[in-house]
Amino acid sequence: GQQVMQIPQYQHVQEGEDFTTYCNSSTTLSNIQWYKQRPGGHPVFLIQLVKSGEVKKQKRLTFQFGEAKKNSSLHITATQTTDVGTYFCAGPSGSARQLTFGSGTQLTVLP
Amino acid sequence: NAGVTQTPKFQVLKTGQSMTLQCAQDMNHEYMSWYRQDPGMGLRLIHYSVGAGITDQGEVPNGYNVSRSTTEDFPLRLLSAAPSQTSVYFCASSRSGQARDGYTFGSGTRLTVV
Repeated sequence: GQQVMQIPQYQHVQEGEDFTTYCNSSTTLSNIQWYKQRPGGHPVFLIQLVKSGEVKKQKRLTFQFGEAKKNSSLHITATQTTDVGTYFCAGPSGSARQLTFGSGTQLTVLP
Repeated sequence: NAGVTQTPKFQVLKTGQSMTLQCAQDMNHEYMSWYRQDPGMGLRLIHYSVGAGITDQGEVPNGYNVSRSTTEDFPLRLLSAAPSQTSVYFCASSRSGQARDGYTFGSGTRLTVV
């Protein structure tokens, strides 16, 4: 079945540094979603990308969808302590009625 | 709006016991699902439903049952709890039956089986 791989698994950055997490799928995706989970919390939907090569921005967060629609990235500029958490990508599978999540990247921001 | 409500928040079970995790949503979402989250393994789909009366298996369905008698409720039943079912369980819903809408997650149930 479809697999969604995320790297890195962990990332520690100094506050103010940039951060990037990468997501790769074994199959072409119709769309990709990104979620953030704060420590002890639940996943919260951030954004969905649909078009090949699409780039979307949310303040300091930049999301990209690859040209082949098999990979995606999330880049955070000038991290803040409020960015701490685990970031997941997710793509549809099983006739698009299921959402498969990557294993996540856990971000720690050191003050 | 309450969104997705899960109860209980915490539960300790003995091996072999059964229990039901409750999930309710008030957004009139057609699609509901259950995930379990284990360290280093992300979120894995247990069961899902695309509407009342319709359920299907996800990636890790063994040991769990679901039913969907109403649009609002999607309970998850553990038939005979095992230590391997120690996990955090999340219920999630979305507007459509296709994975093209963002999911709304409940706050989770932290289950320990001893």
